[in-house]
Amino acid sequence: AQSVAQPEDQVNVAEGNPLTVKCTYSVSGNPYLFWYVQYPNRGLQFLLKYITGDNLVKGSYGFEAEFNKSQTSFHLKKPSALVSDSALYFCAVRAVYNTDKLIFGTGTRLQVFP
Amino acid sequence: DAGVIQSPRHEVTEMGQEVTLRCKPISGHDYLFWYRQTMMRGLELLIYFNNNVPIDDSGMPEDRFSAKMPNASFSTLKIQPSEPRDSAVYFCASSRMSGQGNQPQHFGDGTRLSIL
Repeated sequence: AQSVAQPEDQVNVAEGNPLTVKCTYSVSGNPYLFWYVQYPNRGLQFLLKYITGDNLVKGSYGFEAEFNKSQTSFHLKKPSALVSDSALYFCAVRAVYNTDKLIFGTGTRLQVFP
Repeated sequence: DAGVIQSPRHEVTEMGQEVTLRCKPISGHDYLFWYRQTMMRGLELLIYFNNNVPIDDSGMPEDRFSAKMPNASFSTLKIQPSEPRDSAVYFCASSRMSGQGNQPQHFGDGTRLSIL
């Protein structure tokens, strides 16, 4: 079965420092991986995706993610955190071949302190 | 461009009442998804449609829940009768057809449902 795990419930980082939000996956076949962000009282917003090609994917708001096949990971990163990045972050993987159904992780709350 | 539009944004009703949540997907999108989000269970996929046809309703918790998509621009999720444990935020999302699952889903801002 396809699955995705976010091992950290919360990540705390000081403003200006680099941040990493972790995600590992388990799939049959090639993984299609996504990151979403959720701000309070809002729906999930798409940040970036990995389908194929370059292992470093760049997305919205200065975020990027690194696909690592050997470690089955897709960690979200940003070189310099902003207080406004504080939100709930979800990693997702496509469920099965040839479907648009996504399996979401449990979410990681990012708190950026001034 | 208008995003996914959900109504109402908030709904408070008493146990046993019928609840209808509404969703207008992004124009041109072929897939529509209904999710439920709670603190205990996280984000759960309830059902999704492709070209107005239900494809997978395995996440619908029980027969009290039903969803319809009468046309490409409108979907409803109905709970009858409602129970306190149905209290959650319900999201609708839509995406373009890709056939390979590489298109992102676009979410509405949800309906916060409270059953008293």
